[in-house]
Amino acid sequence: AQSVTQPDIHITVSEGASLELRCNYSYGATPYLFWYVQSPGQGLQLLLKYFSGDTLVQGIKGFEAEFKRSQSSFNLRKPSVHWSDAAEYFCAVGRYSGAGSYQLTFGKGTKLSVIP
Amino acid sequence: GAVVSQHPSRVICKSGTSVKIECRSLDFQATTMFWYRQFPKQSLMLMATSNEGSKATYEQGVEKDKFLINHASLTLSTLTVTSAHPEDSSFYICSARPPSWTDNTGELFFGEGSRLTVL
Repeated sequence: AQSVTQPDIHITVSEGASLELRCNYSYGATPYLFWYVQSPGQGLQLLLKYFSGDTLVQGIKGFEAEFKRSQSSFNLRKPSVHWSDAAEYFCAVGRYSGAGSYQLTFGKGTKLSVIP
Repeated sequence: GAVVSQHPSRVICKSGTSVKIECRSLDFQATTMFWYRQFPKQSLMLMATSNEGSKATYEQGVEKDKFLINHASLTLSTLTVTSAHPEDSSFYICSARPPSWTDNTGELFFGEGSRLTVL
């Protein structure tokens, strides 16, 4: 069974500083990896995903993530954080479930606070 | 992008009553939808996979008689929490994916979530 670990429960950074959110996964096959962002009381928005190919993935809102198979990691980065980035971030690994769909297993999330 | 909508966004009910949450794909048809549950400060846990025209597939530990799922059409799946109790209070989120994406690299779209509070 697949699993996802986000070691940091809460991270606080100053606006304009760089950001890295850690994600480690466990999966027997080639993983489908995702990062989602959730604002308070809201659903999830996809930031980026990795299925294959280039291990450095660019997403929306200036985020990127790098897939490192040797480390079983998929860390999310942003060079300069904006106050509007404060939210909960979830890493997820997907298992293909047939019929063109897949099931996601989520990490516990990392809450990002941004100091003005 | 595709839109998935849930209703209601918030519901408060008395213990012992049943509550229905709707998940609609507004601009695409979804043969498969997923229902997740999120506890405060916790991750999303997959509860079940809702299949249009057939029975839902429940994850281990999820009571199928407690959480009834009906996927009667290609744009609507419903989750009914039967005889709700305070421990059922949670944030319930559905997701779906346009079936026209025949490859397996498409995005899952999530609803806004429904917060259930059982008194």
